[in-house]
Amino acid sequence: EVQLVESGGGLVNPGGSLRLSCAASESIFSLAWMTWVRQAPGKGLEWVGRIKSKGAGGAIDYAAPVKGRFTISRDDSRDTLYLQMNSLKTEDTGIYYCAWDHYIGGFYVSDYWGQGTLVTVSS
Amino acid sequence: DIQMTQSPSSLSASVGDRVTITCRASHNINNRLHWYQQKPGKAPNLLIFGASNLQSGVPSRFSGSGSGTDFSLTISSLQPEDFATYYCQQSYSTPPYTFGQGTKLEI
Repeated sequence: EVQLVESGGGLVNPGGSLRLSCAASESIFSLAWMTWVRQAPGKGLEWVGRIKSKGAGGAIDYAAPVKGRFTISRDDSRDTLYLQMNSLKTEDTGIYYCAWDHYIGGFYVSDYWGQGTLVTVSS
Repeated sequence: DIQMTQSPSSLSASVGDRVTITCRASHNINNRLHWYQQKPGKAPNLLIFGASNLQSGVPSRFSGSGSGTDFSLTISSLQPEDFATYYCQQSYSTPPYTFGQGTKLEI
């Protein structure tokens, strides 16, 4: 079973930067489409962005609130996904989850999730 | 972007009850609709994909239906472990793949 472990969260000032990592247990990570989802305290889930596998073209898509500030990347040699977050705002505070999107029955769905890492943007 | 609206936002029920949660999309999303369960302090867990397909390992008391813009998740006989928050998510065409606001199922 795929295991995902996020790291890199913490407390950062508004306007600051942070890089999150998501380490996968599977060597077939290079084939994976990966998604970042966040959850503000006491709120619902918010889709942040997705990166396709290099074999599928490697396209990256972002949600409007983070576009231009956040960058998703991957290092397939390290089986690791990244989320570089710049120009952080207080509204970026929350738990950040990475998820492995599997192709099931004609659909790409996020069926393996990490435990999440907490990002707090505050002065 | 496609907006997803769930109802109700919260629901009180008892063990053994049959409950239904609905999700409406702002545009036709065919059957590109998935349901997740989230318990406090835990990551979401995929229950249903493609509107009506039960994910492996998910109990058969969970079922999904719908197509186009209107979808539902039904739990046929609530068990104590089912009290959680449920989210729908659309994955139609290009991202962003938006979630509904969630439905909290309480005792």
